[in-house]
Amino acid sequence: DGGITQSPKYLFRKEGQNVTLSCEQNLNHDAMYWYRQDPGQGLRLIYYSQIVNDFQKGDIAEGYSVSREKKESFPLTVTSAQKNPTAFYLCASSYLAGVLTGELFFGEGSRLTVL
Amino acid sequence: GIQVEQSPPDLILQEGANSTLRCNFSDSVNNLQWFHQNPWGQLINLFYIPSGTKQNGRLSATTVATERYSLLYISSSQTTDSGVYFCAVEETSGSRLTFGEGTQLTVNP
Repeated sequence: DGGITQSPKYLFRKEGQNVTLSCEQNLNHDAMYWYRQDPGQGLRLIYYSQIVNDFQKGDIAEGYSVSREKKESFPLTVTSAQKNPTAFYLCASSYLAGVLTGELFFGEGSRLTVL
Repeated sequence: GIQVEQSPPDLILQEGANSTLRCNFSDSVNNLQWFHQNPWGQLINLFYIPSGTKQNGRLSATTVATERYSLLYISSSQTTDSGVYFCAVEETSGSRLTFGEGTQLTVNP
């Protein structure tokens, strides 16, 4: 089945450690996105990528890094520089029509807890 | 950047009731999408609706782009409709969606 796979679903990290969240899609979508959601709040954009080997910062990129070496994959690294990393992280993808974003599809999310 | 406001923030209904959720946005947009987040966190795309009206079963949505708002109608609500409903808009500069804070809907049996 086509879709977006995020792993792990749950992750615990000690302060000072980097952690990488995986996101893979087999929808042949051009664009991929990482969002952060805190309890009771909306989604905030961390990074997005419209093409392989290129990506742009979103609204809250500090303390995060990404790569886009393959069309299907867009991993997110939460670095030790992120001051409050405990959150729910959602990966999404969409097709592009020129610069316009198509329907956005989401993975099931990864819950990161810093101990 | 563009501002997206959703109302009401919380809504409690009895099963079978109808409801209307609103999304206001502060600038012109290329498109608008509605999502439902279930209690386990999964987000499902309900509508891609830059303008006009669409219907999908008991749900329908209308976007009036010139007046900068969209409405999501839920008829004959069911307990499985519970969750958070988000709207998201894409500014005319393109490339990304901005989300509202959501409407928390609870449907009681």
